Amino acid sequence: VQLVESGGGLVKPGGSLTLSCAASGFTFSTYWMSWVRQAPGKGLEWVGRSRNKANGYITEYAASVKGRFTLSRDDSKNSLYLQMTSLKTEDTAVYYCVSWVQGAALYWGQGTLVTVSS
Amino acid sequence: DIVMTQSPLSLSVTPGEPASISCRSSQSLLYIGGNNYLDWYLQKPGQSPQLLIYMGSNRASGVPDRFSGSGSGTDFTLKISRVEAEDVGVYYCMQGLQTPRTFGQGTKVEVK
Repeated sequence: VQLVESGGGLVKPGGSLTLSCAASGFTFSTYWMSWVRQAPGKGLEWVGRSRNKANGYITEYAASVKGRFTLSRDDSKNSLYLQMTSLKTEDTAVYYCVSWVQGAALYWGQGTLVTVSS
Repeated sequence: DIVMTQSPLSLSVTPGEPASISCRSSQSLLYIGGNNYLDWYLQKPGQSPQLLIYMGSNRASGVPDRFSGSGSGTDFTLKISRVEAEDVGVYYCMQGLQTPRTFGQGTKVEVK
């Protein structure tokens, strides 16, 4: 099983960035997927999730990112995306792509760093 | 949102000795069927978090049996029966009952 994030980098406040997560080694289309982030030296924060096709691809978000971040997936490409707009300095974090089994975060990517700074 | 509170926030343990971490939730995590929606994760230095325990007391695949989870409702405990050097890192509890998923602050475990 592999989850490989990409797309992180330095962006100015108010800017936009899109993260990608390429999955392999499991049947991506059947899994609920999410993004979890970790600010430098801080704990873990759930960002949002995408249910699988059987559950209507419903997306849900943390209040801190709702209206600014959009989570999407392409099952044909085994990929998960996070479109981030109106970025704030407090969005600076390592963003992990995570797949869930029985409600638990079973597989984690290595993370991609997003730095929001002027 | 459900608030998760861990204690202690740091722990220094002698190899071979036991260790215990407490996690309390602001709401009961006990759901239909008797399942407690509480997981434990370990983030080793420089690594991504890894699942240790799910549904309160079930060890994830490959997790050594020195790790055990217990508790129900709002009070949970992660126990390490005999700490080893490789157990260093930050341990997090997470509730899986409601969205948004919420994590405890983390407990940093150091091995003396």
